Amino acid sequence: NAGVTQTPKFQVLKTGQSMTLQCAQDMNHNSMYWYRQDPGMGLRLIYYSASEGTTDKGEVPNGYNVSRLNKREFSLRLESAAPSQTSVYFCASTGRHNKNTGELFFGEGSRLTVL
Amino acid sequence: AQSVTQPDIHITVSEGASLELRCNYSYGATPYLFWYVQSPGQGLQLLLKYFSGDTLVQGIKGFEAEFKRSQSSFNLRKPSVHWSDAAEYFCAVGDLSGGYNKLIFGAGTRLAVHP
Repeated sequence: NAGVTQTPKFQVLKTGQSMTLQCAQDMNHNSMYWYRQDPGMGLRLIYYSASEGTTDKGEVPNGYNVSRLNKREFSLRLESAAPSQTSVYFCASTGRHNKNTGELFFGEGSRLTVL
Repeated sequence: AQSVTQPDIHITVSEGASLELRCNYSYGATPYLFWYVQSPGQGLQLLLKYFSGDTLVQGIKGFEAEFKRSQSSFNLRKPSVHWSDAAEYFCAVGDLSGGYNKLIFGAGTRLAVHP
């Protein structure tokens, strides 16, 4: 009953280092999302993938890249980390929209600190 | 552009008291509206959603919300708060064009419950 799994849960980076956050879902969902959560700002969409093979920018894509590796996996990469990217990152997924769905299923988050 | 405003950053209530969390949205068409709850260190969990029909929707954990188009509001209510309801609550509006769900979140309201 895993749902959405994110790794790592915690990471400390130095400015300029790179890293990849991994996300996998086992619910056969088409769409996947990466959000960041910052105090007083709620969740802001970084990138999303409406279906396998497609990715699109959200509200705050600068400094990030994504890969939809297959239907299950959607990774988020920071090529050159900056202190402004210190945040909690959430991956989410959802099935094809109909009136009975629309719900996003979230992972437990990855807390990233950039020094 | 779609947006969500949660006017209250922090709310404190006594256990057993009633609760109302405010949410106002801006959206050009009929909105799809959601309330999510986040317990400390956890991901987000869906409380309830409004797509159409009855403007009073029931959710999990005894929560309900009322959609008021004239006021562009979707306030969350609970008649009697329990200590376990202490968490952060997020209102969201869904952009469901394209057949997938892209949520815009408010900044959140942190609820504290006094014994």
